[in-house]
Amino acid sequence: ETGVTQTPRHLVMGMTNKKSLKCEQHLGHNAMYWYKQSAKKPLELMFVYNFKEQTENNSVPSRFSPECPNSSHLFLHLHTLQPEDSALYLCASSQELAGDSYNEQFFGPGTRLTVL
Amino acid sequence: RKEVEQDPGPFNVPEGATVAFNCTYSNSASQSFFWYRQDCRKEPKLLMSVYSSGNEDGRFTAQLNRASQYISLLIRDSKLSDSATYLCVVNQGGTYKYIFGTGTRLKVLA
Repeated sequence: ETGVTQTPRHLVMGMTNKKSLKCEQHLGHNAMYWYKQSAKKPLELMFVYNFKEQTENNSVPSRFSPECPNSSHLFLHLHTLQPEDSALYLCASSQELAGDSYNEQFFGPGTRLTVL
Repeated sequence: RKEVEQDPGPFNVPEGATVAFNCTYSNSASQSFFWYRQDCRKEPKLLMSVYSSGNEDGRFTAQLNRASQYISLLIRDSKLSDSATYLCVVNQGGTYKYIFGTGTRLKVLA
Protein backbone atom coordinates (compact mmCIF):
# COMPACT_ATOMS: atom_id res chain seq x y z
CA GLU A 1 0.00 0.00 0.00
CA THR A 2 2.58 2.56 1.05
CA GLY A 3 5.89 3.30 -0.54
CA VAL A 4 7.73 2.64 2.72
CA THR A 5 8.50 -0.93 3.71
CA GLN A 6 9.96 -2.24 6.94
CA THR A 7 11.40 -5.61 7.89
CA PRO A 8 10.99 -7.57 10.00
CA ARG A 9 7.42 -6.83 11.02
CA HIS A 10 7.85 -8.58 14.36
CA LEU A 11 11.02 -9.22 16.35
CA VAL A 12 11.62 -10.88 19.68
CA MET A 13 15.13 -10.61 21.07
CA GLY A 14 17.03 -11.17 24.26
CA MET A 15 18.93 -8.42 26.01
CA THR A 16 22.27 -9.73 24.79
CA ASN A 17 21.28 -10.12 21.14
CA LYS A 18 22.24 -7.92 18.23
CA LYS A 19 19.65 -7.32 15.54
CA SER A 20 18.88 -4.79 12.82
CA LEU A 21 15.69 -3.19 11.56
CA LYS A 22 15.48 -2.27 7.90
CA CYS A 23 13.48 0.44 6.17
CA GLU A 24 13.23 1.14 2.46
CA GLN A 25 11.34 3.91 0.72
CA HIS A 26 10.38 3.83 -2.95
CA LEU A 27 9.09 7.40 -3.13
CA GLY A 28 12.23 9.25 -4.11
CA HIS A 29 12.18 11.20 -0.86
CA ASN A 30 15.20 12.93 0.61
CA ALA A 31 14.45 12.72 4.33
CA MET A 32 13.99 9.62 6.49
CA TYR A 33 13.08 9.24 10.15
CA TRP A 34 13.00 6.66 12.93
CA TYR A 35 10.25 6.92 15.54
CA LYS A 36 9.46 4.89 18.64
CA GLN A 37 5.83 4.35 19.64
CA SER A 38 5.18 2.94 23.10
CA ALA A 39 1.76 2.20 24.57
CA LYS A 40 -0.07 5.29 25.85
CA LYS A 41 2.75 7.57 24.67
CA PRO A 42 3.09 9.83 21.64
CA LEU A 43 5.43 8.97 18.81
CA GLU A 44 8.97 9.87 19.83
CA LEU A 45 11.37 11.05 17.17
CA MET A 46 14.67 9.18 17.38
CA PHE A 47 16.75 10.03 14.33
CA VAL A 48 16.47 12.17 11.21
CA TYR A 49 18.45 11.79 8.01
CA ASN A 50 18.49 14.20 5.10
CA PHE A 51 20.24 13.14 1.89
CA LYS A 52 21.69 10.25 3.93
CA GLU A 53 23.31 12.62 6.42
CA GLN A 54 22.17 12.47 10.03
CA THR A 55 20.70 15.78 11.07
CA GLU A 56 19.14 14.83 14.38
CA ASN A 57 19.84 12.45 17.23
CA ASN A 58 17.10 13.08 19.72
CA SER A 59 19.07 12.01 22.81
CA VAL A 60 18.75 8.36 21.93
CA PRO A 61 20.80 5.82 23.95
CA SER A 62 23.84 4.42 22.17
CA ARG A 63 22.35 0.92 22.19
CA PHE A 64 20.39 2.20 19.16
CA SER A 65 22.66 2.86 16.18
CA PRO A 66 21.24 4.16 12.91
CA GLU A 67 22.75 3.74 9.47
CA CYS A 68 21.72 5.38 6.22
CA PRO A 69 23.77 4.08 3.28
CA ASN A 70 21.69 6.01 0.73
CA SER A 71 18.55 8.11 0.53
CA SER A 72 16.33 5.06 0.07
CA HIS A 73 17.51 2.83 2.89
CA LEU A 74 17.64 3.27 6.63
CA PHE A 75 18.72 0.78 9.26
CA LEU A 76 18.44 0.71 13.03
CA HIS A 77 21.02 -1.53 14.66
CA LEU A 78 20.09 -2.82 18.09
CA HIS A 79 22.35 -4.24 20.78
CA THR A 80 22.05 -4.90 24.51
CA LEU A 81 18.52 -3.57 24.63
CA GLN A 82 16.39 -3.35 27.75
CA PRO A 83 12.83 -4.63 28.23
CA GLU A 84 11.59 -1.02 28.29
CA ASP A 85 12.78 -0.70 24.69
CA SER A 86 9.90 -2.96 23.65
CA ALA A 87 7.74 -0.84 21.34
CA LEU A 88 6.64 -0.28 17.77
CA TYR A 89 9.46 1.22 15.71
CA LEU A 90 8.23 3.24 12.78
CA CYS A 91 10.20 4.47 9.82
CA ALA A 92 8.96 7.45 7.83
CA SER A 93 10.06 9.51 4.86
CA SER A 94 9.21 12.93 3.46
CA GLN A 95 10.12 14.75 0.29
CA GLU A 96 12.12 17.33 2.22
CA LEU A 97 12.80 18.05 5.87
CA ALA A 98 9.85 19.67 7.63
CA GLY A 99 11.19 23.18 8.06
CA ASP A 100 8.50 25.74 7.56
CA SER A 101 6.66 23.95 4.79
CA TYR A 102 3.96 21.35 4.78
CA ASN A 103 5.78 18.10 4.20
CA GLU A 104 3.69 14.99 4.52
CA GLN A 105 5.40 12.09 6.23
CA PHE A 106 4.77 8.62 4.87
CA PHE A 107 5.12 5.85 7.42
CA GLY A 108 6.08 2.23 7.04
CA PRO A 109 4.06 -0.49 8.79
CA GLY A 110 6.51 -0.64 11.67
CA THR A 111 8.46 -3.35 13.46
CA ARG A 112 6.92 -4.56 16.70
CA LEU A 113 9.88 -5.26 18.96
CA THR A 114 9.76 -7.29 22.15
CA VAL A 115 12.85 -7.43 24.36
CA LEU A 116 12.89 -10.30 26.81
CA ARG B 1 3.16 21.62 29.82
CA LYS B 2 3.28 19.06 27.02
CA GLU B 3 4.29 20.35 23.61
CA VAL B 4 1.16 18.91 22.01
CA GLU B 5 -1.87 17.94 24.09
CA GLN B 6 -4.93 15.97 23.14
CA ASP B 7 -7.85 14.48 25.03
CA PRO B 8 -7.18 10.72 24.78
CA GLY B 9 -10.91 9.86 24.75
CA PRO B 10 -12.39 7.51 23.81
CA PHE B 11 -15.14 9.47 22.15
CA ASN B 12 -18.04 7.05 21.60
CA VAL B 13 -20.52 8.45 19.10
CA PRO B 14 -23.40 6.96 17.11
CA GLU B 15 -23.26 6.71 13.34
CA GLY B 16 -24.25 9.96 11.71
CA ALA B 17 -23.16 12.11 14.62
CA THR B 18 -20.88 15.13 14.42
CA VAL B 19 -17.80 15.01 16.61
CA ALA B 20 -15.00 17.49 17.20
CA PHE B 21 -11.52 17.14 18.65
CA ASN B 22 -9.18 19.86 19.82
CA CYS B 23 -5.43 19.85 20.16
CA THR B 24 -3.34 22.50 21.89
CA TYR B 25 0.32 23.23 21.24
CA SER B 26 2.81 25.12 23.36
CA ASN B 27 5.31 26.49 20.86
CA SER B 28 4.00 29.72 19.37
CA ALA B 29 6.62 29.49 16.62
CA SER B 30 5.05 26.32 15.21
CA GLN B 31 4.56 26.63 11.47
CA SER B 32 2.74 23.62 10.09
CA PHE B 33 -0.03 21.47 11.46
CA PHE B 34 -1.54 18.14 10.56
CA TRP B 35 -4.08 15.55 11.53
CA TYR B 36 -3.00 11.95 11.06
CA ARG B 37 -5.17 8.91 11.47
CA GLN B 38 -3.89 5.67 13.00
CA ASP B 39 -5.91 2.47 12.90
CA CYS B 40 -5.32 -0.20 15.50
CA ARG B 41 -1.90 -1.84 15.01
CA LYS B 42 -1.29 0.11 11.81
CA GLU B 43 0.95 3.01 10.87
CA PRO B 44 -0.20 6.65 10.97
CA LYS B 45 -1.49 8.10 7.71
CA LEU B 46 -2.06 11.73 6.83
CA LEU B 47 -5.71 12.72 7.09
CA MET B 48 -5.29 16.39 6.30
CA SER B 49 -3.00 19.34 6.74
CA VAL B 50 -4.36 22.32 8.67
CA TYR B 51 -3.97 25.72 7.05
CA SER B 52 -4.35 29.16 8.58
CA SER B 53 -7.62 29.87 6.81
CA GLY B 54 -9.09 26.51 7.76
CA ASN B 55 -9.78 23.79 5.25
CA GLU B 56 -12.34 21.16 4.45
CA ASP B 57 -12.13 17.75 2.83
CA GLY B 58 -15.50 16.10 2.43
CA ARG B 59 -16.89 15.37 5.89
CA PHE B 60 -13.74 16.62 7.60
CA THR B 61 -13.03 20.24 8.56
CA ALA B 62 -9.83 21.46 10.17
CA GLN B 63 -9.32 24.81 11.86
CA LEU B 64 -6.28 26.60 13.24
CA ASN B 65 -6.43 29.21 15.98
CA ARG B 66 -2.97 30.73 16.35
CA ALA B 67 -3.99 33.20 19.05
CA SER B 68 -5.15 30.42 21.36
CA GLN B 69 -2.65 27.89 19.98
CA TYR B 70 -5.00 25.10 19.11
CA ILE B 71 -6.18 23.18 16.10
CA SER B 72 -9.45 21.35 15.71
CA LEU B 73 -10.91 18.55 13.64
CA LEU B 74 -14.62 18.28 12.95
CA ILE B 75 -16.10 15.09 11.53
CA ARG B 76 -19.65 15.25 10.21
CA ASP B 77 -21.95 12.31 9.52
CA SER B 78 -19.64 9.84 11.29
CA LYS B 79 -19.17 6.42 9.69
CA LEU B 80 -18.18 3.17 11.36
CA SER B 81 -15.00 3.33 9.30
CA ASP B 82 -14.03 6.59 11.02
CA SER B 83 -13.23 4.61 14.18
CA ALA B 84 -9.52 5.17 14.75
CA THR B 85 -7.05 7.23 16.74
CA TYR B 86 -6.56 10.78 15.47
CA LEU B 87 -3.09 12.20 15.97
CA CYS B 88 -2.39 15.91 16.13
CA VAL B 89 1.02 16.74 14.66
CA VAL B 90 2.82 20.06 14.89
CA ASN B 91 6.05 21.07 13.27
CA GLN B 92 8.34 22.66 15.84
CA GLY B 93 8.84 26.03 14.25
CA GLY B 94 12.15 26.60 12.55
CA THR B 95 13.17 22.96 12.86
CA TYR B 96 12.40 19.74 11.08
CA LYS B 97 10.89 18.05 14.10
CA TYR B 98 7.35 16.81 13.98
CA ILE B 99 5.81 16.70 17.46
CA PHE B 100 2.99 14.19 17.88
CA GLY B 101 0.17 14.23 20.38
CA THR B 102 -0.84 11.03 22.14
CA GLY B 103 -3.94 10.84 19.96
CA THR B 104 -7.70 10.94 20.48
CA ARG B 105 -9.51 7.65 20.12
CA LEU B 106 -12.82 7.70 18.29
CA LYS B 107 -15.34 4.86 18.29
CA VAL B 108 -18.33 5.18 16.01
CA LEU B 109 -21.11 2.88 17.14
CA ALA B 110 -23.79 1.27 14.98
